[in-house]
Amino acid sequence: GQNIDQPTEMTATEGAIVQINCTYQTSGFNGLFWYQQHAGEAPTFLSYNVLDGLEEKGRFSSFLSRSKGYSYLLLKELQMKDSASYLCAVGRNRDDKIIFGKGTRLHILP
Amino acid sequence: DGGITQSPKYLFRKEGQNVTLSCEQNLNHDAMYWYRQDPGQGLRLIYYSQIVNDFQKGDIAEGYSVSREKKESFPLTVTSAQKNPTAFYLCASSIDWGPSGGNIQYFGAGTRLSVL
Repeated sequence: GQNIDQPTEMTATEGAIVQINCTYQTSGFNGLFWYQQHAGEAPTFLSYNVLDGLEEKGRFSSFLSRSKGYSYLLLKELQMKDSASYLCAVGRNRDDKIIFGKGTRLHILP
Repeated sequence: DGGITQSPKYLFRKEGQNVTLSCEQNLNHDAMYWYRQDPGQGLRLIYYSQIVNDFQKGDIAEGYSVSREKKESFPLTVTSAQKNPTAFYLCASSIDWGPSGGNIQYFGAGTRLSVL
């Protein structure tokens, strides 16, 4: 089966750091993606992890632990424009599909 | 500029009516996808196409139909058999099929469909 869990909503303050967690269960893991989606807009790609460890890309970093079925997206130096939903998506080996979680809506306070 | 274009942005459907959502890409991608997004839900796969002239049902294909006669076009028809069509519909494309190697999906801006 396939199960992806992320918090529904989070709130953080401008300039701070926030960590958005994603846990998954899948029959055959083939990579994990993070997408950002502003309200009413298209999701845009943020990061991809297939090996354990941390991938850093500017203010955003993504971490993966395959043995724990766990990933997080770390956002530093938060800006108001980071207010969006963050979607965790897992690649599945058996049919090569990508399964999306329900997303975490992040609110940034001034 | 390369990208994916969805039209219209907003669409209204009457009872018993079929409506077609357009999706065009000029990225020269082989694979294309249609997703449905409901409030508080993840993206759910309706149909996908790995290559031109081929398409497969996704997880929620009932009440929908597609065609892939040209590489750049993947229109979705919401038929009258789809009893709950109100949702945000997203089209995506990727260089090829599957998640291997970080095969990124690029999304269009979406079509919001409502029932009159």
